[in-house]
Amino acid sequence: EAGVVQSPRYKIIEKKQPVAFWCNPISGHNTLYWYLQNLGQGPELLIRYENEEAVDDSQLPKDRFSAERLKGVDSTLKIQPAELGDSAVYLCASSFGGGDEQYFGPGTRLTVT
Amino acid sequence: GDSVTQMEGPVTLSEEACLTINCTYTATGYPSLFWYVQYPGEGLQLLLKATKADDKGSNKGFEATYRKETTSFHLEKGSVQVSDSAVYFCALTGFQKLVFGTGTRLLVSP
Repeated sequence: EAGVVQSPRYKIIEKKQPVAFWCNPISGHNTLYWYLQNLGQGPELLIRYENEEAVDDSQLPKDRFSAERLKGVDSTLKIQPAELGDSAVYLCASSFGGGDEQYFGPGTRLTVT
Repeated sequence: GDSVTQMEGPVTLSEEACLTINCTYTATGYPSLFWYVQYPGEGLQLLLKATKADDKGSNKGFEATYRKETTSFHLEKGSVQVSDSAVYFCALTGFQKLVFGTGTRLLVSP
């Protein structure tokens, strides 16, 4: 069974540029999560989807961050414009039915210069 | 709000030494507790979990017991290997989201 797939694995951009991350969850997992992991810290939830619906986006900085999950499968997280402080690892995870066990992708390491 | 506190690292051990990584939590209600492991360049992997008080989670020689009276979930292993070198995260579920500690880096030398 394929795990959670994320792309790209690494991204370097200049500040004020836009960037997008893509996630494909485990087949059949209807709950999808995006986490932000700063260096030396644990992941922090940005947004949680149940199928197509964003049910918890309280920690998503909506002035520059947006996310979508069309058709309830793949998801895209976008930052526009990026700031230096956005340099971090962006993790995607999925679970079945919002269950306790979440499965994580390898993450996208973003560097903003 | 809910929170998890882990001992700071790095924890440096020789192969076959005993490991304990401390984790305490603050939560309303009765959360499930988890240990995740992150190997270099990889995503987080669930190592073990416990869903109620006095439960013991175990996997790959690692163990942790859900202690409600001390609000703790310490990770233990009797004999570590070089391949156990990684960052270990303690976490709990609160309101259907995972709350993580800051992680503890384990370095095991031959």
